[in-house]
Amino acid sequence: DQQVKQNSPSLSVQEGRISILNCDYTNSMFDYFLWYKKYPAEGPTFLISISSIKDKNEDGRFTVFLNKSAKHLSLHIVPSQPGDSAVYFCAASAGLLAGANNLFFGTGTRLTVIP
Amino acid sequence: NAGVMQNPRHLVRRRGQEARLRCSPMKGHSHVYWYRQLPEEGLKFMVYLQKENIIDESGMPKERFSAEFPKEGPSILRIQQVVRGDSAAYFCASSPPEGVWGEQYFGPGTRLTVT
Repeated sequence: DQQVKQNSPSLSVQEGRISILNCDYTNSMFDYFLWYKKYPAEGPTFLISISSIKDKNEDGRFTVFLNKSAKHLSLHIVPSQPGDSAVYFCAASAGLLAGANNLFFGTGTRLTVIP
Repeated sequence: NAGVMQNPRHLVRRRGQEARLRCSPMKGHSHVYWYRQLPEEGLKFMVYLQKENIIDESGMPKERFSAEFPKEGPSILRIQQVVRGDSAAYFCASSPPEGVWGEQYFGPGTRLTVT
């Protein structure tokens, strides 16, 4: 039962343009959402997060948007750079409400930024 | 400050043997999580431990798998009598007791191959 879904396995974007990565979830108990970036042969690296009391969080070139009614979130990267090429995982947890510490991950989207 | 360390990075075991995976959390981190990533899938939560305590093992298979985080030394994920289906990348993550909620720092993973 995949509670966090990333329906696009891959995305290619030209350098300097915007990258938009999407994520959907099914569990209405989720109240905290994170994006991780993963390079080959490395562990995931935390990128940005958002709690369910917000609908937007921004950190430099990275912005995460949350639409609770649609159970959808997205990560925007602008401008995209070749070093952003990696697999991006969306993750969610029910920690704030249920005190659960484990993260539920999507299957990842491989972003390729073309120079 | 060294990151989360995992060893070995690669482990090959024959069916029926035991696999021991080690994880040293970041300095000052007392919470450890284990995740498993099967090919073409996202990371799946296995177990959450604090020093000398298993807090949540809801993602652990009921048989053959065990985890510990002793007072001294690394956290160990132990898989007895391995089968081919155990072949996967196993990631450990850690977090501080009072850190940003949900933010976990991942190690590089141990890739287990069962022949």
